Amino acid sequence: ETGVTQTPRHLVMGMTNKKSLKCEQHLGHNAMYWYKQSAKKPLELMFVYSLEERVENNSVPSRFSPECPNSSHLFLHLHTLQPEDSALYLCASSQSSESSYNEQFFGPGTRLTVL
Amino acid sequence: GQNIDQPTEMTATEGAIVQINCTYQTSGFNGLFWYQQHAGEAPTFLSYNVLDGLEEKGRFSSFLSRSKGYSYLLLKELQMKDSASYLCAVADSNYQLIWGAGTKLIIKP
Repeated sequence: ETGVTQTPRHLVMGMTNKKSLKCEQHLGHNAMYWYKQSAKKPLELMFVYSLEERVENNSVPSRFSPECPNSSHLFLHLHTLQPEDSALYLCASSQSSESSYNEQFFGPGTRLTVL
Repeated sequence: GQNIDQPTEMTATEGAIVQINCTYQTSGFNGLFWYQQHAGEAPTFLSYNVLDGLEEKGRFSSFLSRSKGYSYLLLKELQMKDSASYLCAVADSNYQLIWGAGTKLIIKP
């Protein structure tokens, strides 16, 4: 595997379900990110992890719970979601979360549908 | 507040040149990025500008004017595979990327 991988690619869940999204980066980066991408809206930064510590939480509802067990893996645990949470969830990584040149490498995303 | 503006959609002809504009208002500035995103795929990095002026990379060039809060992405010799969304993003004072909603570029034969 190379780059940033995400599983599953597609997920359909009910509002009472619990599911998790997984992201893995094979680039040796120190920072990882979760973004939400909705149609015709800007990418919304949800969480930032640097060296496995959360450094940013942009007022995300508690029904989204991130976990970063090591610098290569990032999870997003989902529970009691709402239909408006349906979107593409993108994971990204970069060498550092605190540098000017902060090129982020993205995974292919998980297309989430909440029924 | 922080804001990035870019046109929602543009159409151009194969072989032509197109310029996609981006204006921004952010709390601090640590560089401006352009990404390309094909439908159903991940965004991929195109360019980075932190100083005023033009950066050229093959068929793609990116320009920045910090005093005007303005950038553009110039695509030359357009090919059908250039049909995609182009995302403008600014690194703010905390180095976090603030994103525009993207410009969908449609290339016609």
